[in-house]
Amino acid sequence: GQNIDQPTEMTATEGAIVQINCTYQTSGFNGLFWYQQHAGEAPTFLSYNVLDGLEEKGRFSSFLSRSKGYSYLLLKELQMKDSASYLCAVLDNDYKLSFGAGTTVTVRA
Amino acid sequence: IAGITQAPTSQILAAGRRMTLRCTQDMRHNAMYWYRQDLGLGLRLIHYSNTAGTTGKGEVPDGYSVSRANTDDFPLTLASAVPSQTSVYFCASSERASGGNEQFFGPGTRLTVL
Repeated sequence: GQNIDQPTEMTATEGAIVQINCTYQTSGFNGLFWYQQHAGEAPTFLSYNVLDGLEEKGRFSSFLSRSKGYSYLLLKELQMKDSASYLCAVLDNDYKLSFGAGTTVTVRA
Repeated sequence: IAGITQAPTSQILAAGRRMTLRCTQDMRHNAMYWYRQDLGLGLRLIHYSNTAGTTGKGEVPDGYSVSRANTDDFPLTLASAVPSQTSVYFCASSERASGGNEQFFGPGTRLTVL
């Protein structure tokens, strides 16, 4: 089975940095995705990691450690529009995505 | 159209009724997926199709069926709806069912079964 854990909620101040952790135990691994989902909308792709290390894309960065079954999404210079749910998802051996329950980030002024 | 569309946007359905949720993409993607999203549970895969003419079962397939007659369309059918199928349903597609191919999601269908 698949087990993907991430915190339920996080709150941060505008301009700050927030780190969302994700730990996973899955049947096989072909990469880890992060998606952003605003309330009432569809998830949209943020990042993909398949090798260990840090991937940076503007204000967002994603890190992966395969040996530890661990990833994090780093959001820098937080803006109000970053208030959303962030979904961690692992691609298994059959190339199927398993999602965590999501982390709701609230950005306060 | 551009991207992936779903219909209807929302629906209230009596238990026991048959319902088909529609999904169409114009990106010529080979792989398509149906998920349901419930509070606290995240997205769960119902059925998938790696290419036209083939389908497979996901994590929660019971009570649902799909077909993939062509590349663009991937309808999801509830043969006899039950209240536990109340959920938000998302259709998604990707270029291929392989690593690194991001999935693009439709806007979702909010279904309530009474």
